[in-house]
Amino acid sequence: GEDVEQSLFLSVREGDSSVINCTYTDSSSTYLYWYKQEPGAGLQLLTYIFSNMDMKQDQRLTVLLNKKDKHLSLRIADTQTGDSAIYFCAEIEGAQKLVFGQGTRLTINP
Amino acid sequence: DAGVIQSPRHEVTEMGQEVTLRCKPISGHDYLFWYRQTMMRGLELLIYFNNNVPIDDSGMPEDRFSAKMPNASFSTLKIQPSEPRDSAVYFCASSLVRTEAFFGQGTRLTVV
Repeated sequence: GEDVEQSLFLSVREGDSSVINCTYTDSSSTYLYWYKQEPGAGLQLLTYIFSNMDMKQDQRLTVLLNKKDKHLSLRIADTQTGDSAIYFCAEIEGAQKLVFGQGTRLTINP
Repeated sequence: DAGVIQSPRHEVTEMGQEVTLRCKPISGHDYLFWYRQTMMRGLELLIYFNNNVPIDDSGMPEDRFSAKMPNASFSTLKIQPSEPRDSAVYFCASSLVRTEAFFGQGTRLTVV
């Protein structure tokens, strides 16, 4: 099957930028997603990008997509304590099979 | 809409007992997913349905696990008999085709 890979941990200082990386393997994926999971909660969609785009910006969030390398990144500018969570990237396989990476736990240091 | 509703939120059961997890998807959504989350294995897709029909159950760990979707507004995930290694958080999610999936709050299952 296809795999979505992420590093497991990231630690940044409050106010710095966080960059979370992801690699995927299904080149036919038309949508790529970033989800956020806070402690004790389900996953919530943060943002998504169409496969024909290179970049998408939404307030403090910037998503970069490199289709050639099958690399997706999420940049959070001016990281705040409320950004502490687990971040999952996900790709759609086929019609609607949503496959997630292992999640990156983001820790904010004061 | 209240979102995807799962019940119970927490379940503690003894090894060997049957466990049934329930999910009510968002009205109008035609895809329903069951995921399992553990520290060791992350978020695993167990099975998903389209228009109440199971499409891919390759993630179901073994025959002890079964899932049904008798109608568009209800699905169950059953484990019989349960084992301690089944302890995890089980999520249900629903979506329309080629759109984001909306997740429930999850059911935390502990098998002792």
